[in-house]
Amino acid sequence: EAQVTQNPRYLITVTGKKLTVTCSQNMNHEYMSWYRQDPGLGLRQIYYSMNVEVTDKGDVPEGYKVSRKEKRNFPLILESPSPNQTSLYFCASSLFTGSGYEQYFGPGTRLTVT
Amino acid sequence: AQKITQTQPGMFVQEKEAVTLDCTYDTSDQSYGLFWYKQPSSGEMIFLIYQGSYDEQNATEGRYSLNFQKARKSANLVISASQLGDSAMYFCAIQMLRTYKYIFGTGTRLKVLA
Repeated sequence: EAQVTQNPRYLITVTGKKLTVTCSQNMNHEYMSWYRQDPGLGLRQIYYSMNVEVTDKGDVPEGYKVSRKEKRNFPLILESPSPNQTSLYFCASSLFTGSGYEQYFGPGTRLTVT
Repeated sequence: AQKITQTQPGMFVQEKEAVTLDCTYDTSDQSYGLFWYKQPSSGEMIFLIYQGSYDEQNATEGRYSLNFQKARKSANLVISASQLGDSAMYFCAIQMLRTYKYIFGTGTRLKVLA
């Protein structure tokens, strides 16, 4: 089954404790992206990647890191989480060549930082 | 800066009626793609429809159509014959094809009444 998986689905952590949210897709998609969703703000892009070793900042990259060492994986790293990073996080992937390819979203990771 | 504006935070529609969800965008880029996604209360993101900036015809996908008015920079979603299952949050998004960055709107919550 074609899918984007994220782990963990739920995470409660404390300020400053480094964490990684994993994202993996099995569709051989070149494009992968991370978003955060907050009430009243919609989805905001954190980082995106157009292929292995190619990443770029979205609108809200501060406090986050990403890496794309393999085509299928695109982990999101919070090196020193803060309460304002409490949010619902989505990973997504799509084909990259040309345009008009919809993104396939993971199920989301709900992160709470206390 | 690029921006998506969805001015209707919430809307009601009677079952079997048509409804239009508004979306305006702001970009100086000439090449871009416009997307609509649905997010039911279960949380997953579902792709609905796509319109390319150079497409002359409005996109249609089943009961969904996109009313694309390029000069006015609007990309409204029309849902015909609303069903109870259409009750969800709807997001408009733009992807700039120069940078491949995405911008999402803040969403419109649609409630279909029986």
